[in-house]
Amino acid sequence: DQQVKQNSPSLSVQEGRISILNCDYTNSMFDYFLWYKKYPAEGPTFLISISSIKDKNEDGRFTVFLNKSAKHLSLHIVPSQPGDSAVYFCAASISGGYQKVTFGTGTKLQVIP
Amino acid sequence: DGGITQSPKYLFRKEGQNVTLSCEQNLNHDAMYWYRQDPGQGLRLIYYSQIVNDFQKGDIAEGYSVSREKKESFPLTVTSAQKNPTAFYLCASSSRTDNNSPLHFGNGTRLTVT
Repeated sequence: DQQVKQNSPSLSVQEGRISILNCDYTNSMFDYFLWYKKYPAEGPTFLISISSIKDKNEDGRFTVFLNKSAKHLSLHIVPSQPGDSAVYFCAASISGGYQKVTFGTGTKLQVIP
Repeated sequence: DGGITQSPKYLFRKEGQNVTLSCEQNLNHDAMYWYRQDPGQGLRLIYYSQIVNDFQKGDIAEGYSVSREKKESFPLTVTSAQKNPTAFYLCASSSRTDNNSPLHFGNGTRLTVT
C-alpha cells in the first residue's frame, strides 16, 4: 500500500524554466511533509518542508505547495538549473512520538542546459 | 564537520553469508535509522532506534538485525535469511527532541550478493 505516491518517474525541463514535481498521499493523518534531493551514489539531503497548518513554504528558488483537501503537494523550482538534476523524494510523517517517515518512489529531474 | 559515515561504499558477498554494514554519526543525534532503496521504489524502513540499547522493527525487518550499544553507532547485519539482500542501504539520524527534524543520511552502502 503506497501511501505516498510520485506518479511521474522522470521529468525534463529546460534550464531557466520552472520545474514542478508532484506528490500525492492517501493517509489523512500525515501532517508534515518534506522533500529530499538525491544525487547518484549519495544519500538524500533535505531540501524543504511544510507543516499541514500551512499551504505554502518558500526557500529561495524552491517552493512547496500543500493542498490538504486534495491530499496533494508539489515542489516548484524556479529557475531550474543544471545542478538541480537529481532524484527528488517526497516524504510524509505524523507528528508526535516517533517520527516515522514514509517516502515516495522519487522523480528523476533532468534540467537541460 | 558533523555527519554520518557509512562503510564500505561497495560490498560484495556470497549467498548464505551474513554481512554487517557500518554506520557512525557524530551529530549527537539520538535517533538512527536504516533504509533500503531498490530501483523504482521509495526508501523503505528496516529498523530504527530512538535511544541507546533500544530499537524497533520497521516495515521490512525480516532477515535483518541491528544493535545500538553506543549513541554514535548503529550497525546493520544482513543475514542469510534475507531473500533479496542486493540493494542500496542508507543509514540516517535525526534529533529525537524535534519530531519534525529532517533526516540526515549517509552516502549509502551498495550491497551485492551473488
